Amino acid sequence: NAGVTQTPKFRILKIGQSMTLQCTQDMNHNYMYWYRQDPGMGLKLIYYSVGAGITDKGEVPNGYNVSRSTTEDFPLRLELAAPSQTSVYFCASSFQGSDYGYTFGSGTRLTVV
Amino acid sequence: AQTVTQSQPEMSVQEAETVTLSCTYDTSESDYYLFWYKQPPSRQMILVIRQEAYKQQNATENRFSVNFQKAAKSFSLKISDSQLGDAAMYFCAFFTGNQFYFGTGTSLTVIP
Repeated sequence: NAGVTQTPKFRILKIGQSMTLQCTQDMNHNYMYWYRQDPGMGLKLIYYSVGAGITDKGEVPNGYNVSRSTTEDFPLRLELAAPSQTSVYFCASSFQGSDYGYTFGSGTRLTVV
Repeated sequence: AQTVTQSQPEMSVQEAETVTLSCTYDTSESDYYLFWYKQPPSRQMILVIRQEAYKQQNATENRFSVNFQKAAKSFSLKISDSQLGDAAMYFCAFFTGNQFYFGTGTSLTVIP
């Protein structure tokens, strides 16, 4: 099925470890986004990209890095994981300015212990 | 700064009844869009309904409709003939520029 695919679905990290959350979409969307969702909270934007080779910070970028080498892929890198990064991470994509809404992935639940 | 407020952390409704979820927002922008997203236990975010701020007419999608009051910056979601599958977390979201702003969500329980 077409859409946004995130891997892994669950992960437990130890403090100080690093990992990459993968996100790929097959809809030829030019815009891609990473959000985090903390318990009882809405989604907060971490990073976004308006096309291959272009990325920009969102509301909560500290502790994360992204790259966008292709239209399809938008990985999120966590360096030196901290307990404050325990959250559910969502990748999303859209055409242009998203005023028709995003297509979301199913999320990655990350726990840092 | 843009803010989205959902003042009802939890709501419940009897199956087949109608429920209204509240949302208010604050912005100085004149051009924006408003959305309701549904998040069932599967975590998948599903678009329920979309409203363009420049349109006076309230959006409707089957059993889902909105009451958009631009002057009051209010955007409530009405679910008619509630079904068990409507049970989920519902997020109100505001879009302007290149960014969405989400509320904290309302957890809807449907009672058989």
